[in-house]
Amino acid sequence: GQQVMQIPQYQHVQEGEDFTTYCNSSTTLSNIQWYKQRPGGHPVFLIQLVKSGEVKKQKRLTFQFGEAKKNSSLHITATQTTDVGTYFCVPSSGSARQLTFGSGTQLTVLP
Amino acid sequence: EAGVAQSPRYKIIEKRQSVAFWCNPISGHATLYWYQQILGQGPKLLIQFQNNGVVDDSQLPKDRFSAERLKGVDSTLKIQPAKLEDSAVYLCASSYSGLGSTDTQYFGPGTRLTVL
Repeated sequence: GQQVMQIPQYQHVQEGEDFTTYCNSSTTLSNIQWYKQRPGGHPVFLIQLVKSGEVKKQKRLTFQFGEAKKNSSLHITATQTTDVGTYFCVPSSGSARQLTFGSGTQLTVLP
Repeated sequence: EAGVAQSPRYKIIEKRQSVAFWCNPISGHATLYWYQQILGQGPKLLIQFQNNGVVDDSQLPKDRFSAERLKGVDSTLKIQPAKLEDSAVYLCASSYSGLGSTDTQYFGPGTRLTVL
């Protein structure tokens, strides 16, 4: 499976602050998926990005796919305690069958 | 629509014992995945089935782990004998086809295994 570097590994923010996690690949990706895993829970699909330069929004979450399709980001505006969890970017190349999860970014929101 | 079902939810065994996990995917989903998630890490794919055939088992420790999906629906994952380092959450996921790289995976609640 395709590997990416996701940073930061951990992030603590005060409730109401913004949060961003980044994924970087050395090779061009076919698409990238984002998943969220709450503490003690299982990964839940958030979104998939396919097109170069694509930007998608889900309420306070903004997902971007880079122009070169080698990087992606997830930005959360005005974090809430419900945003706590680990966010995984999961890349896929055109030929890869499986999705490869990295370590993700663990977000803690302090009330 | 019912989600992915897994049982048991928790299991505690002693090392060298055997254990089996069961997964029932979402109805109509051809592809089934088993992942191992060690605390603090992301899920690691153990095996991927397409209907009742194995697509990828390159990361399955075959000396002790086995999995089957005989009728292309539900699946079992077995560990025999268990080691301390097998303590983890075992996640089952399914997707509609799995043939393309754009398939969304739906995860079950997982089985938390503790090996003493």
